[in-house]
Amino acid sequence: GAGVSQTPSNKVTEKGKYVELRCDPISGHTALYWYRQSLGQGPEFLIYFQGTGAADDSGLPNDRFFAVRPEGSVSTLKIQRTERGDSAVYLCASSPDPAGELFFGEGSRLTVL
Amino acid sequence: KQEVTQIPAALSVPEGENLVLNCSFTDSAIYNLQWFRQDPGKGLTSLLLIQSSQREQTSGRLNASLDKSSGRSTLYIAASQPGDSATYLCAVLSDMRFGAGTRLTVKP
Repeated sequence: GAGVSQTPSNKVTEKGKYVELRCDPISGHTALYWYRQSLGQGPEFLIYFQGTGAADDSGLPNDRFFAVRPEGSVSTLKIQRTERGDSAVYLCASSPDPAGELFFGEGSRLTVL
Repeated sequence: KQEVTQIPAALSVPEGENLVLNCSFTDSAIYNLQWFRQDPGKGLTSLLLIQSSQREQTSGRLNASLDKSSGRSTLYIAASQPGDSATYLCAVLSDMRFGAGTRLTVKP
C-alpha cells in the first residue's frame, strides 16, 4: 500500500480481555516498529522487527504483551488480560532499513474499561 | 540508555515569527535523527531526516541541524503560520527513542 496501515483505528474493550492490533507496513520495508503513546507523551518503544524476527523486544512492559511478524510483512501486537493502564495509542512504523527513516501509521487507540 | 529531551514543552508565538525548537540527547554516538510533526489525534508525519554524516537538512521553511558532539539538534521554523500549530517530536533512530515533544501554537 501507499502508507502504513493500522487496524482497528479504535478499540474499546473490558479489563481482562484479549486484544489484537494489526499493522500493515509499506511494501518492501524490512524494519517494523511498535510504539505506545500516552496523552502528552512522546512515543514509547515497544518492539522492533527486522524481517520476521524480533530484533529488540526490550520495550515490552511485561509478558502480557507479544508481537509477531510471521512472513516479514504484516505484524500483530497481542495483549492478554488487558488492564486499564494499557489504554493508549499504539503506533506502528516501518522503515526500508534498520535506523532508517520512519514512516508511521495513524495508530490504534485502545481503551480498556 | 539514551535519553532524549525537548525544550520547551510548549511554545506560543504570533504569526510570522521565526522560532527554534530544541532536542538534546545524552549519548552522542547516534546514527540518524528524525523530526516529526503530530496533529491532535493523528499519527506522526515525517518532516526531516538528518543522517549521522550530515549537519543539517532543509525543507521549505524548515531547517534542522545536528551537532553530535554537543548532543543537540534544532528545528528552525521560518515565518511561522497558524497551520504550523502542532506537536513537534524528535527521535534518535539508532536508539528508537523519542523526546516528549514541543507543543507549538502559532496565533494569527
